[in-house]
Amino acid sequence: GAVVSQHPSRVICKSGTSVKIECRSLDFQATTMFWYRQFPKQSLMLMATSNEGSKATYEQGVEKDKFLINHASLTLSTLTVTSAHPEDSSFYICSARGRDSLLGSYEQYFGPGTRLTVT
Amino acid sequence: TQLLEQSPQFLSIQEGENLTVYCNSSSVFSSLQWYRQEPGEGPVLLVTVVTGGEVKKLKRLTFQFGDARKDSSLHITAAQPGDTGLYLCAGGVGSYNFNKFYFGSGTKLNVKP
Repeated sequence: GAVVSQHPSRVICKSGTSVKIECRSLDFQATTMFWYRQFPKQSLMLMATSNEGSKATYEQGVEKDKFLINHASLTLSTLTVTSAHPEDSSFYICSARGRDSLLGSYEQYFGPGTRLTVT
Repeated sequence: TQLLEQSPQFLSIQEGENLTVYCNSSSVFSSLQWYRQEPGEGPVLLVTVVTGGEVKKLKRLTFQFGDARKDSSLHITAAQPGDTGLYLCAGGVGSYNFNKFYFGSGTKLNVKP
């Protein structure tokens, strides 16, 4: 399957600072990228959907001014957690969807996740 | 948000036993996926089912999509310690190639040797 990377894999920041997480599709063009967050021992919660070149669509209850998403190219989306607080500490996972060159269908691939700890 | 409930939440069994995990919702999904996730890693796709009543087999794993496309099950035959992990179902909303997925509550499986 295709490869999606996230950077950084782990980040620790102080309360009140902003953190940027990158999500890259390495071998395919991702027309859509999704951002999820996962608390310990819980499932993934969809935060937002972003299409290349347009504004992200946020799920109900997710603050768009808190979680800034930019999908400037077909291979890169970024999530910026602004004015981070300890309750923002979580595992953030992106997924990228694009046309699989071998299968011919649209497939979705997940990144390895970014562990954010806000102190 | 589409609510997907998985049961059981936790399952601890001996190697060689069979098990079934259920994923239920009151919503209809255009497709349904099953993932397995290891701690500290992203989920890995196991299967996608798109047709009501569809059954797919992946070695010792059998996946079924309910006739009404509201529920699904994952059956594992002769479980092995390597099957240990968090199993997640995810329901697709929207047209097949342009849908987004909402995840179920998860089933933590532990297979003891």
